[in-house]
Amino acid sequence: DTGVSQDPRHKITKRGQNVTFRCDPISEHNRLYWYRQTLGQGPEFLTYFQNEAQLEKSRLLSDRFSAERPKGSFSTLEIQRTEQGDSAMYLCASRYSTGELFFGEGSRLTVL
Amino acid sequence: DAKTTQPPSMDCAEGRAANLPCNHSTISGNEYVYWYRQIHSQGPQYIIHGLKNNETNEMASLIITEDRKSSTLILPHATLRDTAVYYCIGLSGGQNFVFGPGTRLSVLP
Repeated sequence: DTGVSQDPRHKITKRGQNVTFRCDPISEHNRLYWYRQTLGQGPEFLTYFQNEAQLEKSRLLSDRFSAERPKGSFSTLEIQRTEQGDSAMYLCASRYSTGELFFGEGSRLTVL
Repeated sequence: DAKTTQPPSMDCAEGRAANLPCNHSTISGNEYVYWYRQIHSQGPQYIIHGLKNNETNEMASLIITEDRKSSTLILPHATLRDTAVYYCIGLSGGQNFVFGPGTRLSVLP
């Protein structure tokens, strides 16, 4: 499968714990995006990378959130000291410069 | 990037054409209109995009008005598997795809 891959697909954690999500984009895509989606809402933009550079961050991305794309390939999104309000689907997407955005299946986080 | 507005929900009979409207009255001249859909618990799926001219692919047709202030996504023969939330997005020089709440399409048997 050469699509966008996300891991894990589901994560249940206790409040206060740290979690990390990984995204492997389509190999030739230089742009990588993270979105968050809560029930009944459209995806909300969090951040995007062009190669390894993080070019834009949403105000939604609090200090507890950090994203990296160290070699311009895969990316990680870490949430520190999780809160119940962080429960959501975290979606990764990639594209090559211009054109359509391809999404992964998402990582669903539940914070107890 | 243009703000888009869509009806919150629509119904369509199976086998009939589904016409989903989108208003993007603030769209600029170099701004593309993209359509995505999201089936429950899956990531959004690209459908089609266009700038000025009408576009058609194997999934759908996109009709953009001459003044580009609105567009319509047409699913020519809707099936039950087309039940999903459909998002209309305006994108120009910014690289950020901004999703609204979309239109929840229910295809009824």
